[in-house]
Amino acid sequence: QVQLQESGPGLVKPSGTLSLTCAVSGGSISSRNWWSWVRQPPGKGLEWIGEIYHSGSTDYSPSLKSRVTISVDKSKNQFSLKLISVTAADTAVYYCVGDSGHPPENWFDPWGQGTLVTVSS
Amino acid sequence: IQMTQSPSSLSASVGDRVTITCRASQSISTYLNWYQQKPGKAPKVLIFDASSLQSGVPSRFSGSGSGTDFSLTISGLQPEDFATYYCQQSYNTPRTFGGGTKVEIK
Repeated sequence: QVQLQESGPGLVKPSGTLSLTCAVSGGSISSRNWWSWVRQPPGKGLEWIGEIYHSGSTDYSPSLKSRVTISVDKSKNQFSLKLISVTAADTAVYYCVGDSGHPPENWFDPWGQGTLVTVSS
Repeated sequence: IQMTQSPSSLSASVGDRVTITCRASQSISTYLNWYQQKPGKAPKVLIFDASSLQSGVPSRFSGSGSGTDFSLTISGLQPEDFATYYCQQSYNTPRTFGGGTKVEIK
């Protein structure tokens, strides 16, 4: 059973860069089509950030596209998120998520436990 | 594609039948998923492709709809069902979620 675990700093300074990694265990990162990042500001709803195919092609939310990079490291069985020029509005719980099914009949599963990233000086 | 859920919150009693609706801003066929999220936990998929029950999810959960209008029904609300529910379209990217429906105890 594939499991995901996010890691990275819990505090980032304004204008800095948010960097998170998601370790995939219990299976190969090539076992799923897409790997995504989803975030949730405190007390608010879910927002899709972007996704990466295990081959490396990416797709990003238009609202974040200019600041986001998602990459994959097959040798380490992990994928990563980088968000530049962060502000307080980027404070959120960040989830790494796997893709199940076959597009467009696909859904988000499994999910990591989530990691809170706070943007503050 | 914008996803609009209603209501944003509701109060119900154990045993009640509860229906949550989700409307897409354009037709998405049946490419609609439902998730349940409890406080401090990651969301969990309940229904995929509008009406297919995820393995391990109780049969009191059901989904229906196609095109732009969808619903999630809980038949016989249980104490563990008090949570926030989200719809999400998989028709295209950007993948978008509804704003959520919080189901609270009356």
